[in-house]
Amino acid sequence: GNSVTQMEGPVTLSEEAFLTINCTYTATGYPSLFWYVQYPGEGLQLLLKATKADDKGSNKGFEATYRKETTSFHLEKGSVQVSDSAVYFCALKDSGAGSYQLTFGKGTKLSVIP
Amino acid sequence: GAVVSQHPSWVICKSGTSVKIECRSLDFQATTMFWYRQFPKQSLMLMATSNEGSKATYEQGVEKDKFLINHASLTLSTLTVTSAHPEDSSFYICSAADGYTDTQYFGPGTRLTVL
Repeated sequence: GNSVTQMEGPVTLSEEAFLTINCTYTATGYPSLFWYVQYPGEGLQLLLKATKADDKGSNKGFEATYRKETTSFHLEKGSVQVSDSAVYFCALKDSGAGSYQLTFGKGTKLSVIP
Repeated sequence: GAVVSQHPSWVICKSGTSVKIECRSLDFQATTMFWYRQFPKQSLMLMATSNEGSKATYEQGVEKDKFLINHASLTLSTLTVTSAHPEDSSFYICSAADGYTDTQYFGPGTRLTVL
């Protein structure tokens, strides 16, 4: 079956530091890959996505590249801000038509300190 | 972007009562919606998949008679927690699948506290 493995948190960084959150996956075929962000007390927000190999998703300074050869979708940001403090979830979706179910990683909590 | 709303955002109820949570896709039609439960500091647990006009598909271990799901229209799904007990206290999140973008969009969640 499908699975997603994220680096264990929590991750604590100083403001303006470089961020990497590793995500690897196991799936058959060509899944779509997503990063969602959850701020305290809120639901999940789509941060970015990629639907095929070598695609790069980007949003709000975050980016991730779909690497099929390493089955990875690592999240990066060049300079984090305090407002980026949240839990980040990596997820995948099967490529089948009409298949919307997501497989989530366990989430990585990021804390950015001033 | 696509917006999904949930109502109420929080609810407190007495043990033995029922609580209904609504999930709406505001600017797109969703033939498929999902209901999740999230425990503190944990990832999301999929409870059920709701398809418009048909019965929901429940994940293993989720009591379908306790967690009633109705998806009567392309923009509305409801979750009713029947005869709630303190162990049902949790954060419930819905999502809606947008077939055009092939993406799930999530609601803001509902905090349920059963006394």
